[in-house]
Amino acid sequence: GAVVSQHPSWVICKSGTSVKIECRSLDFQATTMFWYRQFPKQSLMLMATSNEGSKATYEQGVEKDKFLINHASLTLSTLTVTSAHPEDSSFYICSARDPSYGADTQYFGPGTRLTVL
Amino acid sequence: QKEVEQNSGPLSVPEGAIASLNCTYSDRGSQSFFWYRQYSGKSPELIMSIYSNGDKEDGRFTAQLNKASQYVSLLIRDSRPSDSATYLCAPNKGLNSGNTPLVFGKGTRLSVIA
Repeated sequence: GAVVSQHPSWVICKSGTSVKIECRSLDFQATTMFWYRQFPKQSLMLMATSNEGSKATYEQGVEKDKFLINHASLTLSTLTVTSAHPEDSSFYICSARDPSYGADTQYFGPGTRLTVL
Repeated sequence: QKEVEQNSGPLSVPEGAIASLNCTYSDRGSQSFFWYRQYSGKSPELIMSIYSNGDKEDGRFTAQLNKASQYVSLLIRDSRPSDSATYLCAPNKGLNSGNTPLVFGKGTRLSVIA
């Protein structure tokens, strides 16, 4: 299957700082990537859809000014958590579809565990 | 009605038994269906996809789809302790829907007892 990578795999930061998470499609081009968040023992919650060259589409209840998404190329999308607070501590996972495997098959990155102190 | 419903479990089965995981979905327009496995602390990994009514087998895994009943299931034969994980069902609204994200249920936690 297609490979999606994320960096960093984990990050610890102080409250009020900003954290950037990168998501890359390694062997395919992804015009669309998806960002999910998962709190402990909870289900995956879609945060936003990242579109290459245009603005991201955010799900209801997700603050676009707090979670900045940039999809500047066909292989890279970034999620920046601005002014992070302890309640933002979560597991952030990106996902993308590889058209060569069937455009509806969605592959996930390994995730980034964010801890805000 | 929730888009995807799964019994959260835990579903406990003895090693070597068949584990049966069930999922119902609300959108009749769903064309393809995916099962993902998620180990604790890890991201989901794709196990199987199914597009047509009936059964699809891949090794120890069999996916079953009944679009009329809006029901999809996953059978795991010869269950192993390493199968212990949360299994996520995800219907997809249409083929080639590259811009539409998958929506997941809460998943079913499976525990295979040695």
